[in-house]
Amino acid sequence: NAGVTQTPKFRVLKTGQSMTLLCAQDMNHEYMYWYRQDPGMGLRLIHYSVGEGTTAKGEVPDGYNVSRLKKQNFLLGLESAAPSQTSVYFCASSPGRTSNTGELFFGEGSRLTVL
Amino acid sequence: AQSVAQPEDQVNVAEGNPLTVKCTYSVSGNPYLFWYVQYPNRGLQFLLKYITGDNLVKGSYGFEAEFNKSQTSFHLKKPSALVSDSALYFCAVRDMTGPGGFKTIFGAGTRLFVKA
Repeated sequence: NAGVTQTPKFRVLKTGQSMTLLCAQDMNHEYMYWYRQDPGMGLRLIHYSVGEGTTAKGEVPDGYNVSRLKKQNFLLGLESAAPSQTSVYFCASSPGRTSNTGELFFGEGSRLTVL
Repeated sequence: AQSVAQPEDQVNVAEGNPLTVKCTYSVSGNPYLFWYVQYPNRGLQFLLKYITGDNLVKGSYGFEAEFNKSQTSFHLKKPSALVSDSALYFCAVRDMTGPGGFKTIFGAGTRLFVKA
């Protein structure tokens, strides 16, 4: 059981380039989330989804877009990368409202450096 | 607005001694409270949670946490620290009654260093 898988694990971009991070979960979870982790700031929510075809903004959505075309996948896109987006990105998932025990399940992270 | 505070950037403790990692929160309603642990170059792993009932909850790896409603605190504890407990610990709250998404708010994290 793979759980939550993120690809790629590492990426270096130049300012202005675009890229997509892929998150895949095999637990049939309704809810999925993208967080970024920066030193001393904990995890901050970028975007989230409560089901296939739905997305919503989190705490720090600017500069990012997301899509949830399939229930098991949640994509995070950077259209024009900036050095301020250098961070470690984590995807997480959890069951939906009716069967939620509260805890999140995390991927291993994707380390992005923007030069 | 919901918030979580972890007042210590780092906690240092000798192996075999008890440890405490502090967390206070500011939320409305009755949120779920969590502790997660992050080892180097890994994702966060769930340790334990408080939903309701007994104020002392037990979790993985011998950790426990004490919920104190009057002090709005949820401190993580372990009676005897191990070197392998050295990691980054996050306190978190999740509003399980709000409108869709059940967003989780994390503290800034506390690095635990256990010296042999």
